Amino acid sequence: QSALTQPRSVSGSPGQSVTISCTGTSNDVGGYNCVSWYQQHPGKAPKLMIYDVSKRPSGVPDRFSGSKSGNTASLTISGLQAEDEADYFCCSYAGSYTFEVFGTGTKVTVL
Amino acid sequence: EVQLVESGGGLVQPGGSLRLSCAASGFTFSSYEMNWVRQAPGKGLEWVSYISSSGSTIFYADSVKGRFTISRDNAKNSMYLQMNSLRAEDTAVYYCARYVGYNVDYWGQGTLVTVSS
Repeated sequence: QSALTQPRSVSGSPGQSVTISCTGTSNDVGGYNCVSWYQQHPGKAPKLMIYDVSKRPSGVPDRFSGSKSGNTASLTISGLQAEDEADYFCCSYAGSYTFEVFGTGTKVTVL
Repeated sequence: EVQLVESGGGLVQPGGSLRLSCAASGFTFSSYEMNWVRQAPGKGLEWVSYISSSGSTIFYADSVKGRFTISRDNAKNSMYLQMNSLRAEDTAVYYCARYVGYNVDYWGQGTLVTVSS
């Protein structure tokens, strides 16, 4: 099972919006509404930001939103803040054999 | 507060073995499915293994199948990963992760496994 494809990096100025794509196949992203997004600061454990494509856990700012179209999921960060600078990974359920597949990761830089 | 604390990592020679542990607290461990996920240095995340809440259902990534064994002891609020026949490509930070509805919602801080001669 290949990793989901994400852009290596995206950047934006404070207050701007950035969108990270996560492209898979009909066997993972396109086949299940089980896409999650994780934020990871250097040397830290990942933190759940979005689950089930577009749901936010309590405590996650509503600046973070998720969506999906076909085999591509997206994470949008609106009103970019300095503390949003981190690596972001997507993840999709891929069936009872492959189970979970992660994205290649995207570094978000706040200019 | 949910806490997951991994231990047992270290330096091991190729072909060697290690047993990782994950101590859980702050939630009813026996009610939750769990996973091991790893991250090679400077690389992305890779799912390694899954275990159901009772331990009766287990899955492995192809890259570790036949070499790694996941288990849990609900009486001790702990999960384990027995890793045998270790290879250089198994070098990674190994995370213990709680699983809810096909999503990992909490992660431990990870334990580093280095396979090198």
